[in-house]
Amino acid sequence: DIQMTQSPSTLSASVGDRVTITCRASESISTWLAWYQQKPGKAPKLLIYKASSLQSGVPSRFSGSGSGTEFTLTISSLQTDDFATYYCQQYQSYSPITFGQGTRLEIK
Amino acid sequence: QLQLQESGPGLVKPSETLSLTCIVSGGSINTRSHYWGWVRQSPGKGLEWIGSIYYSGSTYYNPSLRSRLIMSIDTSNNQFSLKVTSVSAADTGVYYCATTRAEGDFFDYWGQGSLVTVSS
Repeated sequence: DIQMTQSPSTLSASVGDRVTITCRASESISTWLAWYQQKPGKAPKLLIYKASSLQSGVPSRFSGSGSGTEFTLTISSLQTDDFATYYCQQYQSYSPITFGQGTRLEIK
Repeated sequence: QLQLQESGPGLVKPSETLSLTCIVSGGSINTRSHYWGWVRQSPGKGLEWIGSIYYSGSTYYNPSLRSRLIMSIDTSNNQFSLKVTSVSAADTGVYYCATTRAEGDFFDYWGQGSLVTVSS
């Protein structure tokens, strides 16, 4: 299976900050990567797919980049509603779907 | 807009079978544009993909769980189901049903989740 490793595990930031979360794959997955946001007690919400495509209805302050084994999720200007846990997920066709362990974004 | 809702027992005894159903509304499950899947979340293992099924009934399962999984689809009632046999405490968690698009296995619609506890 392809292992997904996110960093950092926890990130403290303030409203208005620009933040970046990194996700690394154990082997190349081209751009077959998605990002999700999850709040306590809720299901994950799709933010980005195919590494950089913004899901309909997601604010443009969210962006994704990368290919191969290294990917980033960037929030350009943090809003109060953005404090949550973020997960990456790979969907390379020949391998079982796997998720990163999550990055908790908390208020500084 | 698609809506998904899980249903099933919240408590299952060890060695028994966990059964969940996902009812889909806001669109037909009998479509080539989506796969229908299950994801679970537990404190120890984070998010884990369980398996997915197509409208035709074809399935693909997580190899780590394959021997204990049965997934089915009921296009007449717009729902699909999951069975996990021989459960243990390690199967405790929140189970989500979710859809993936035919263009790629990312989950664009999710149910609210169903907590399943395995305990005697």
